[in-house]
Amino acid sequence: DGGITQSPKYLFRKEGQNVTLSCEQNLNHDAMYWYRQDPGQGLRLIYYSQIVNDFQKGDIAEGYSVSREKKESFPLTVTSAQKNPTAFYLCASSSRTVYGYTFGSGTRLTVV
Amino acid sequence: AQSVTQPDIHITVSEGASLELRCNYSYGATPYLFWYVQSPGQGLQLLLKYFSGDTLVQGIKGFEAEFKRSQSSFNLRKPSVHWSDAAEYFCAVGNSGGYQKVTFGTGTKLQVIP
Repeated sequence: DGGITQSPKYLFRKEGQNVTLSCEQNLNHDAMYWYRQDPGQGLRLIYYSQIVNDFQKGDIAEGYSVSREKKESFPLTVTSAQKNPTAFYLCASSSRTVYGYTFGSGTRLTVV
Repeated sequence: AQSVTQPDIHITVSEGASLELRCNYSYGATPYLFWYVQSPGQGLQLLLKYFSGDTLVQGIKGFEAEFKRSQSSFNLRKPSVHWSDAAEYFCAVGNSGGYQKVTFGTGTKLQVIP
């Protein structure tokens, strides 16, 4: 079945380290998104990409970076510049023809 | 700018009772509206969506929502809640042109008591 795979499910990072969260989709969707979820704050958009080799900053891009070298993949790097990285990270994708996002199951990042 | 307000942070209902979750949106044109559900530690699953046409839309798991343009609302309803409906529910509004930009509300956490 088609879907979005996020890995790992849980990730622990020491302060000062960069970490990369994986997001892979086999839905043939053109657009992909990264959201951060904190309790009581809903979902906040970090980055999005509409096509390969192109991406735009969302509302809270500082301290994060992305790449889109393949249509299927949209990895997110949480850099040491992100002041408060502990959160639940969700990847999503969408097609041009069907409105609505498909979400992955998320990665919980904890800074220790 | 588009926005969504979910005024209820937590709601508790008894199993078998009816449910209504409130959602108000702000958008300049005809919006695309969504309800998603999230179980703890999981991603979001689409319950239903509204683009145009009949203002009462049916979704999965027995949920429905009604679009009321005059009230800028898109409330989610279910006639009889099951214990498995306990989860967090997110209302979202999307733009009607260009790339899909969807803005989410802050969510309503539903507790179901026996």
